[in-house]
Amino acid sequence: EAQVTQNPRYLITVTGKKLTVTCSQNMNHEYMSWYRQDPGLGLRQIYYSMNVEVTDKGDVPEGYKVSRKEKRNFPLILESPSPNQTSLYFCASSPAGTGGWQFFGPGTRLTVL
Amino acid sequence: AQKITQTQPGMFVQEKEAVTLDCTYDTSDQSYGLFWYKQPSSGEMIFLIYQGSYDEQNATEGRYSLNFQKARKSTNLVISASQLGDSAMYFCAIPGGGYQKVTFGTGTKLQVIP
Repeated sequence: EAQVTQNPRYLITVTGKKLTVTCSQNMNHEYMSWYRQDPGLGLRQIYYSMNVEVTDKGDVPEGYKVSRKEKRNFPLILESPSPNQTSLYFCASSPAGTGGWQFFGPGTRLTVL
Repeated sequence: AQKITQTQPGMFVQEKEAVTLDCTYDTSDQSYGLFWYKQPSSGEMIFLIYQGSYDEQNATEGRYSLNFQKARKSTNLVISASQLGDSAMYFCAIPGGGYQKVTFGTGTKLQVIP
């Protein structure tokens, strides 16, 4: 089954404790991206990647890191989480090699205390 | 930079009626695409429909269609014969130059009333 998987789906953590949210797709898509969703703000892009070893900042990259060492994986790293990073996070991939039509993961709800 | 504006935070529609969700955009790109996504209460994001800026006809996918007015920079989503399962958040989105960076609107919450 074609899918984008994210782990964990839910996470409660404390300020400053490094965490990684994994994202993996099994569709051989070149383009992958991370978004955060906050009430009233819609989805905002954090980082995106056009291909392996190619990443770039979206609109809200501060406090986040990503890496793309393999085509299928695009982890999101929060080195020192803060409460303002409490949000719903989505990973997405695109078959077109660009950010057009995107296939989304199920989301990760993160709470930083 | 791209910008998407969805001015209707929430809307109600009677079951079996049609409803129009508004989306206006701003872009400096000559060629671009516009995307609509649905997010039901379960949380997943589902691609609905796409309109290319040079498409001569409005996009249609089943009960979903777009009213694309390029000069007004608007692409409104029309849902015909609304069903209870259409109750969801709807987001309009536009990719940036080279279809890399993507900007989403703030969404419209649609509630279908029996």
